[in-house]
Parts: sequence; structure tokens; C-alpha cells
Amino acid sequence: GENVEQHPSTLSVQEGDSAVIKCTYSDSASNYFPWYKQELGKRPQLIIDIRSNVGEKKDQRIAVTLNKTAKHFSLHITETQPEDSAVYFCAAKASNYQLIWGAGTKLIIKP
Amino acid sequence: EAGVTQFPSHSVIEKGQTVTLRCDPISGHDNLYWYRRVMGKEIKFLLHFVKESKQDESGMPNNRFLAERTGGTYSTLKVQPAELEDSGVYFCASSPRGQEETQYFGPGTRLLVL
Repeated sequence: GENVEQHPSTLSVQEGDSAVIKCTYSDSASNYFPWYKQELGKRPQLIIDIRSNVGEKKDQRIAVTLNKTAKHFSLHITETQPEDSAVYFCAAKASNYQLIWGAGTKLIIKP
Repeated sequence: EAGVTQFPSHSVIEKGQTVTLRCDPISGHDNLYWYRRVMGKEIKFLLHFVKESKQDESGMPNNRFLAERTGGTYSTLKVQPAELEDSGVYFCASSPRGQEETQYFGPGTRLLVL
């Protein structure tokens, strides 16, 4: 079936450094790829998304890139700050609007 | 604007009992989704309502799960009888008509079946 693989499962970076989280998807028909951030005990919050007709999208310190040929997409966070610490999920939209989720990446920002 | 709300936030029940989870979507959102995350695994889709109609229920695990959205506003997800493997976090999400993929999530209900 359709699946999304996400790596790494845990990422620890020094404050101020960049963080990169990578995902691959299996369904070549997927055309929408959101990223969610979930802080401890809170709801998953949509932070950025990209559609298959775009290769890159940026919003302040956050950017997402998409390689349709290779079927992978990545989240880039620059100048990381303590408040970036959270679990990040990638997802891919299946043809019937359900989201197929990655397993999540726990991002730890070291002071 | 209020976000998606879910009730209760936590529920602890014994195997064989019944539990009903409630989701109130963002006002005006026609689309309502249920997802769950069990045992720290991936979040998995359960079903999708468009207004009061079930658009896609391919993710419902078995007939112990019943979802309703009478009137097309809030939704309930009933588990009867609950089993140990039903433990996890149940998320609800909603999206407006025409933007089905942009899903806004509730805080989830953490269910523990003992």
C-alpha cells in the first residue's frame, strides 16, 4: 500500500544551526505534501505545504523542497531556535484526500 | 476563530466497555476527518466526512468502530466494545470545501483501554 518514510527519527542540532528532515513517498499520484509540527501535548499544526507543481517553497526560516522524480521531499529549518523543538511529521495526500503520514522526527535544539 | 476541538482529552476504560469521542470542526468546514496514532506508530487515516455523508471509510479497522456526523456539524466516534489494541490518540481534523487537503487538527483524545 501507500506509505511515507521519514528520516531521521531523532535529530539533535545546536541552536542556530540548520535542521533537515527527509521523507520519501510511494504513490506517484500524490500531489500535496504538508508538514506538521507537534509540540508536547498539543495538536499537530500545519507549518508549511507544497504541491507537486512547485519544486521549492519558503516561509521565513522554513523551506520545503520536492523532487517528484525521486519521490522525496524535505523540510529545512535554518537558524534553529529553542521553540523549534517538537516532533515534525511529513505527509502525502492520497488520491482520496486522506493523508499518509511519516513516523515523525523528534527535533531537539541544544542551547 | 476557534480551532478544531475534541472531547474528552483523555479517557481510560476497561476492555469491553464503550467509549464515545466527540469532534467539533472549525465552523463552516464541510470536511471532517478522523485519524489515530497507536503505540507510537504512524498516524493512520480512519475516515472522511463531507458534511453528514461518509466520503471514505476505508481506514476504519473493524465494525467495532462507528462514526457519525448527524446534521453535518460535530462528529462522534464510538468504539464498542473497546479492545486493548484500540489504545492510542484519536485525532480529528477539518478542512473547508474546495481545500480538502489543507487539514487543521484538533488536540486529540488519548484513549487507554485496560
